[in-house]
Amino acid sequence: DVKVTQSSRYLVKRTGEKVFLECVQDMDHENMFWYRQDPGLGLRLIYFSYDVKMKEKGDIPEGYSVSREKKERFSLILESASTNQTSMYLCASSSEEERTSASGELFFGEGSRLTVL
Amino acid sequence: GEDVEQSLFLSVREGDSSVINCTYTDSSSTYLYWYKQEPGAGLQLLTYIFSNMDMKQDQRLTVLLNKKDKHLSLRIADTQTGDSAIYFCAETYSGAGSYQLTFGKGTKLSVIP
Repeated sequence: DVKVTQSSRYLVKRTGEKVFLECVQDMDHENMFWYRQDPGLGLRLIYFSYDVKMKEKGDIPEGYSVSREKKERFSLILESASTNQTSMYLCASSSEEERTSASGELFFGEGSRLTVL
Repeated sequence: GEDVEQSLFLSVREGDSSVINCTYTDSSSTYLYWYKQEPGAGLQLLTYIFSNMDMKQDQRLTVLLNKKDKHLSLRIADTQTGDSAIYFCAETYSGAGSYQLTFGKGTKLSVIP
């Protein structure tokens, strides 16, 4: 059974703390994505990666960075958390074949709900 | 830029049909999708339709595509309480030689027993 695992389901952090959100997939997918989900705003793409050590900015990259040292792992980093980064963060992956054929199925993790106080 | 619009809420009685509507802007979209998000979970692909199709049926689900009006709908027959979820419409768009998904804001379907 395919799986995208986000290590933390719930986190509470303080303003200014550094936050790491980890995502691991076991499907040997080349492509990985980080979204944030907010009520009334839907899903917004933060960063994505098509290969190890490769990263591309999405629609809302400000205040975030990412790391892809291994194919199966894609980390989202908040260098200095702020209250407006309180959100649900969703990691997703897809295969290169899906991406280039535009059939586009993404496999999502269950989400990490981050609260910044 | 690309935009996908859908209403935020829909409430139906158990056993009735649900129709969730979506409009999109990218006329070059190759695929259009419906994803389902159950409470406390990530999104799962429910169904998708090629842009050269008008309709796709899969058990209780019917997807209708009107390319002229750029309108996509998802019909759920005999809606059950287990269908309560947020449904996201999404389209592909191409950029920098790759394809990305643009999601709508999601329609929260509430099924009344």
